[in-house]
Amino acid sequence: EAQVTQNPRYLITVTGKKLTVTCSQNMNHEYMSWYRQDPGLGLRQIYYSMNVEVTDKGDVPEGYKVSRKEKRNFPLILESPSPNQTSLYFCASSPTGLGGTEAFFGQGTRLTVV
Amino acid sequence: KNEVEQSPQNLTAQEGEFITINCSYSVGISALHWLQQHPGGGIVSLFMLSSGKKKHGRLIATINIQEKHSSLHITASHPRDSAVYICAVVNNNDMRFGAGTRLTVKP
Repeated sequence: EAQVTQNPRYLITVTGKKLTVTCSQNMNHEYMSWYRQDPGLGLRQIYYSMNVEVTDKGDVPEGYKVSRKEKRNFPLILESPSPNQTSLYFCASSPTGLGGTEAFFGQGTRLTVV
Repeated sequence: KNEVEQSPQNLTAQEGEFITINCSYSVGISALHWLQQHPGGGIVSLFMLSSGKKKHGRLIATINIQEKHSSLHITASHPRDSAVYICAVVNNNDMRFGAGTRLTVKP
C-alpha cells in the first residue's frame, strides 16, 4: 500500500532531550516536507526537500533540523526541544513537488514537550 | 492579513445540501491544494489545481487564477463529509495554508 509513515504517533518528552520523528514513504517520491499544526495558527511548513541531499527552510525552521540521506526517509530532528514546540506534526511527500502533483500526508505525530 | 483566506470558518448543513467553501489568496501561486482533515487528525489531499476545474465523485473544485480565488463544492452532502477543509497555495514548493473551514453535516 502506498503510504507515508510517521513514527512515533504520540510522544511526551522533557525540555532539552533530543528527539527524532521519522518519516518514510514507499512511493519513490522526490519531494518531502514537514509541517506543524497549532490551534489558531493552522498548518505551517517547517522544512522541505526536493531530493536526496537537497533541503530548504520553510516558514518556521527555527529549532528544527532535517536530513535527506535516502529518497524514502526524511527525519525531523529536535536537538533541544522546548515547550513551544509542542504541536501536531505532519510529514508529506509528492512525486515531483507541490506545484504540479498532489501531496500525500502521514498520520501525524502529536508531540508534547514538558 | 493572511495570504490565504477561507470562508466560512464554520459551516453547518443538513444532509443533502449543496456546500460551497471559498478560498482567496493574495500571492502568486503555481498550484492550489484542497485538503480534508478528519476528526482523528489525518489529512487527505482532495485536489491539486493550477487552472480550471476538477471533479471527483461529489466533490468539485474550481480555480480562477486572475481573481485569485478557488471554491470547493460538495454536492448531496452527507454526514461523513463532516471534517475540516483546508486550502493551501504553493509558490516554489513553499506551501501556505488557510485556517480551514469546519464543516458539520447533520443527518
